[in-house]
Amino acid sequence: SSELTQDPAVSVALGQTVRITCQGDSLRSYYASWYQQKPGQAPVLVIYGKNNRPSGIPDRFSGSSSGNTASLTITGAQAEDEADYYCNSRDSSGNHGVFGGGTKLTVL
Amino acid sequence: EVQLVQSGAEVKKPGESLKISCKGSGYSFTSYWIGWVRQMPGKGLEWMGIIYPGDSDTRYSPSFQGQVTISADKSISTAYLQWSSLKASDTAMYYCASSHSPLVDFDYWGQGTLVTVSS
Repeated sequence: SSELTQDPAVSVALGQTVRITCQGDSLRSYYASWYQQKPGQAPVLVIYGKNNRPSGIPDRFSGSSSGNTASLTITGAQAEDEADYYCNSRDSSGNHGVFGGGTKLTVL
Repeated sequence: EVQLVQSGAEVKKPGESLKISCKGSGYSFTSYWIGWVRQMPGKGLEWMGIIYPGDSDTRYSPSFQGQVTISADKSISTAYLQWSSLKASDTAMYYCASSHSPLVDFDYWGQGTLVTVSS
């Protein structure tokens, strides 16, 4: 099992706001990055660091962190946001990386 | 334009060896980490390990330590992932990805290499 825990599935109505969470002890010390993966495609980085978006990522994606929980928020979800989302951070030792188990986002 | 181009799909038998590659272009290959990520069929992403081609500093996930070898040839801007003896459970898509910081924040990804191990 992963050291980072995500809810397996989340749904959101079109245009509404959704928060996807990632829990783990290492998140008290390290930021999480977030990736979007659509079927048959490689993952895409959407958030890294405190709350940074790579070039080309819409500003409806944002990140935050509190205690042992990191969150990815999509404000005004679009149909094209339907995908699997993974968090990524260091493990509890700080010496290796680890991914969360992933959250399947459905946009209704 | 930053690109990571991976080698093509492989079909192997259990016990065989394999080395897959990831060629970087459009950036300073020796200044960014290159990580390898496994995705088994229908499953999530797994962090396998990472290398800094500038000095060959390599880190492995405890789950993959001793199971695979990560290396890089900076003269040809290429990173590698290799197995000495494949198992059926190694069947998966393998991605390489670059990062400006160690261990996390993979900002560019290769297209993936599908490895199928079957007798």
